[in-house]
Amino acid sequence: GENVEQHPSTLSVQEGDSAVIKCTYSDSASNYFPWYKQELGKGPQLIIDIRSNVGEKKDQRIAVTLNKTAKHFSLHITETQPEDSAVYFCAASNGNAGKSTFGDGTTLTVKP
Amino acid sequence: NAGVTQTPKFQVLKTGQSMTLQCAQDMNHNSMYWYRQDPGMGLRLIYYSASEGTTDKGEVPNGYNVSRLNKREFSLRLESAAPSQTSVYFCASRATGTPSYEQYFGPGTRLTVT
Repeated sequence: GENVEQHPSTLSVQEGDSAVIKCTYSDSASNYFPWYKQELGKGPQLIIDIRSNVGEKKDQRIAVTLNKTAKHFSLHITETQPEDSAVYFCAASNGNAGKSTFGDGTTLTVKP
Repeated sequence: NAGVTQTPKFQVLKTGQSMTLQCAQDMNHNSMYWYRQDPGMGLRLIYYSASEGTTDKGEVPNGYNVSRLNKREFSLRLESAAPSQTSVYFCASRATGTPSYEQYFGPGTRLTVT
C-alpha cells in the first residue's frame, strides 16, 4: 500500500518568514495530493491540493509543488502569520478510489 | 448547512464496554470515512463507504464495525472497547463524480478507554 513520510515533525519560524514542509510517497498510482490544516480541537481542513498532471499550484501565500519522478511534494507558506500556527498534514491518494494515506503531521509555530 | 457532524464529542468507556459513534453529513456526498488520530501520528483509515450500501476495510479495521445506515449517516461501533482504542475519531465525507476530491471532516470524538 501507499506510504507517506512527512518532514519536519515540528517547525518554528518568526512571523514574516517562510515555512516549507516536505512529503514523499511510495505508490506511483497516487494522483492526488492534498494538504490539510488542523487547528487545536478541530477536524482537518483542506488548504490546497494538487493533481499529478500539474507541477505547481499557488493560492495567495500558500503554494504546493510536486515532483512525480522523485515522488515528493512540498507545501510552501510565505509571509507567515501567527494564525498560521497549526498542525499540517500531507496526504496521497488515488483520487478515483477516494482513499487517502496521511503523513504524520508537522506542528508549525509562528512566533510574533 | 452543518457539513459533517459527529456525536458524542467526548466519551469515557471501561474496558469491555461497547458504544457507537455517530456521523452524519448534509452535503449529499456519496463517500464517507472513519479515521483515528493518535498523538504524533497522522490520520489512519479504519473503514470507508464508497457509496450507500457498501463498506470496506481501511488500514486499521480490527476491533471496529461500521454501518452505512443511509446516504447521510455512517456509524462506527466498538463492540468490546480496549485501552488501545483510546484515540480521537474523525468522520469525513467526499463527493464523487465531481472535479473535487476534497474530504470534509467532522469535529471529532475524543474517546478514552480505561
